[in-house]
Amino acid sequence: EAQVTQNPRYLITVTGKKLTVTCSQNMNHEYMSWYRQDPGLGLRQIYYSMNVEVTDKGDVPEGYKVSRKEKRNFPLILESPSPNQTSLYFCASSFSGAEAFFGQGTRLTVV
Amino acid sequence: DQQVKQNSPSLSVQEGRISILNCDYTNSMFDYFLWYKKYPAEGPTFLISISSIKDKNEDGRFTVFLNKSAKHLSLHIVPSQPGDSAVYFCAARGLDSWGKLQFGAGTQVVVTP
Repeated sequence: EAQVTQNPRYLITVTGKKLTVTCSQNMNHEYMSWYRQDPGLGLRQIYYSMNVEVTDKGDVPEGYKVSRKEKRNFPLILESPSPNQTSLYFCASSFSGAEAFFGQGTRLTVV
Repeated sequence: DQQVKQNSPSLSVQEGRISILNCDYTNSMFDYFLWYKKYPAEGPTFLISISSIKDKNEDGRFTVFLNKSAKHLSLHIVPSQPGDSAVYFCAARGLDSWGKLQFGAGTQVVVTP
């Protein structure tokens, strides 16, 4: 079954404690992205990757890091989380950068 | 600055009637437009798309219209069904940045019996 898998689904952490949200896809897609969804703001792209070792900033990259060492994986790293990074996060993958498959989301709370 | 705008946060429509969702954009470099649907506790799912070289694309009950001169697109759902109750996001991709998608804030559609 074609899917994008994110882990964990829910996470509560404290300010400043480094965390990683994993994302994996099984469709051999070139493109992968991370988004955050906030009320009234829709989905905002954090980072995207066009292929292995090729990443670029989206609209809200501050406070986040990504890496793409393998085609199937695209982890999102928060080196020093802050409360304003409390949000619902989605990973997505696609062949063309457009018609994307999304994961089920990770709800992050930073206290 | 939000380059893709959905100015109606919500829409209520009766089952069997037409739902019309609107989206405006400001960036003339956008060349590909998409609609996604999202149910609670799930990720968005791709619904329908349109290239800037077309003005209409149809897929079953869903039709997307693009008016480039007005920088406006719309999604028509005919007839609306209870399962169409969801949040709908409009998105756009630029000619010069294939990996970058800009989304609108979403429109919550409620289909009533």
